Amino acid sequence: QQQVKQSPQSLIVQKGGISIINCAYENTAFDYFPWYQQFPGKGPALLIAIRPDVSEKKEGRFTISFNKSAKQFSLHIMDSQPGDSATYFCAASQASGSRLTFGEGTQLTVNP
Amino acid sequence: GAVVSQHPSRVICKSGTSVKIECRSLDFQATTMFWYRQFPKQSLMLMATSNEGSKATYEQGVEKDKFLINHASLTLSTLTVTSAHPEDSSFYICSALTSGTDTQYFGPGTRLTVL
Repeated sequence: QQQVKQSPQSLIVQKGGISIINCAYENTAFDYFPWYQQFPGKGPALLIAIRPDVSEKKEGRFTISFNKSAKQFSLHIMDSQPGDSATYFCAASQASGSRLTFGEGTQLTVNP
Repeated sequence: GAVVSQHPSRVICKSGTSVKIECRSLDFQATTMFWYRQFPKQSLMLMATSNEGSKATYEQGVEKDKFLINHASLTLSTLTVTSAHPEDSSFYICSALTSGTDTQYFGPGTRLTVL
């Protein structure tokens, strides 16, 4: 019940296209859903996060869509750029200050 | 703001020696710090959670006597890998957050290679 399932495992997108990564969870107590971006040999960096009281959050080219009833959330990267090529992790936690449960990760490649 | 540093960034040691990794929150007080390890092309695996001034809580399967964690101040946590062996070679990453908040800020990671 603590798992967060992420798909796809890898994704190849052309420059200017839309990248979509999906995550699903089981634990209805989760109330915080961040997305992290990780480049090789670096630590994860917070991209954007959402709480269940909103269905969508947008920051620049990055948008989280959240479906509480389906227990799913997704990351959309608009106008994808080669510099967006990285591994993306979704995560979830319950209660402030508690541990994050990570998805398996998606390796995104944006071709020029 | 919200910068977390780790030192060293890379370390190579001989089998049987101990290695200490430092994690510092540079511009905020970290009431909670987390330690993860990550193998190539895999997700982050939580090893332990440490609260300032308290003993760390280890995840199932993580040997507390092998991975010693100290969180002595609101800006510093250390992970000591004792009697390291080649199978301990991995990428170790810390994260930190402030009490009452959700956002974990991650350090840049430490690549440990045990020969």
